[in-house]
Amino acid sequence: EPEVTQTPSHQVTQMGQEVILRCVPISNHLYFYWYRQILGQKVEFLVSFYNNEISEKSEIFDDQFSVERPDGSNFTLKIRSTKLEDSAMYFCASRPGTAGQPQHFGDGTRLSIL
Amino acid sequence: AQSVTQLGSHVSVSEGALVLLRCNYSSSVPPYLFWYVQYPNQGLQLLLKYTSAATLVKGINGFEAEFKKSETSFHLTKPSAHMSDAAEYFCAVSVNSGGSNYKLTFGKGTLLTVNP
Repeated sequence: EPEVTQTPSHQVTQMGQEVILRCVPISNHLYFYWYRQILGQKVEFLVSFYNNEISEKSEIFDDQFSVERPDGSNFTLKIRSTKLEDSAMYFCASRPGTAGQPQHFGDGTRLSIL
Repeated sequence: AQSVTQLGSHVSVSEGALVLLRCNYSSSVPPYLFWYVQYPNQGLQLLLKYTSAATLVKGINGFEAEFKKSETSFHLTKPSAHMSDAAEYFCAVSVNSGGSNYKLTFGKGTLLTVNP
């Protein structure tokens, strides 16, 4: 069964550094998402992406964040200047175009900011 | 805006006992509802979904959930718990937030432990 893959599984970065989290969504899916889960808290929506542009973003997704689908298969989340509070598990998800179809999640990238 | 409340951050049952994980939602429009399970160090795996067809939904691993509009609930049940069911369970709601995004709004999760 096709699956969403994320790399790396764990990223350790110094505060203030840029980090890029990578995702390969399921190939025939049309909608792409990033979520994050701070330790001990619930999973929170960051951004959705459709037709090569951001379709919705949350208040968390400020100017330090950006997303890209550079080559039609990869879907990346960039944090320009990381802060301690960016430490979290970041999940990528994708879903088909039909309304109501569930999102499929990757195993996540654990981001640790030192 | 939609929201999800999961009653009980931690539920403990004996092996073979009934599992009941509670979820209530709030939404101004008819929602899609989902249960996801997260095993340690893994991503979110879909257990089941409600998409306005049958109100009783069957999922994987023997789980099922019933959509009750009058109670705005979508509780997850399994008749007989197995040790392998120990995990964290998340209820999520999805509505069209514009542009057919259908972002997910999650509850805080319920950690299920199964005692031998």
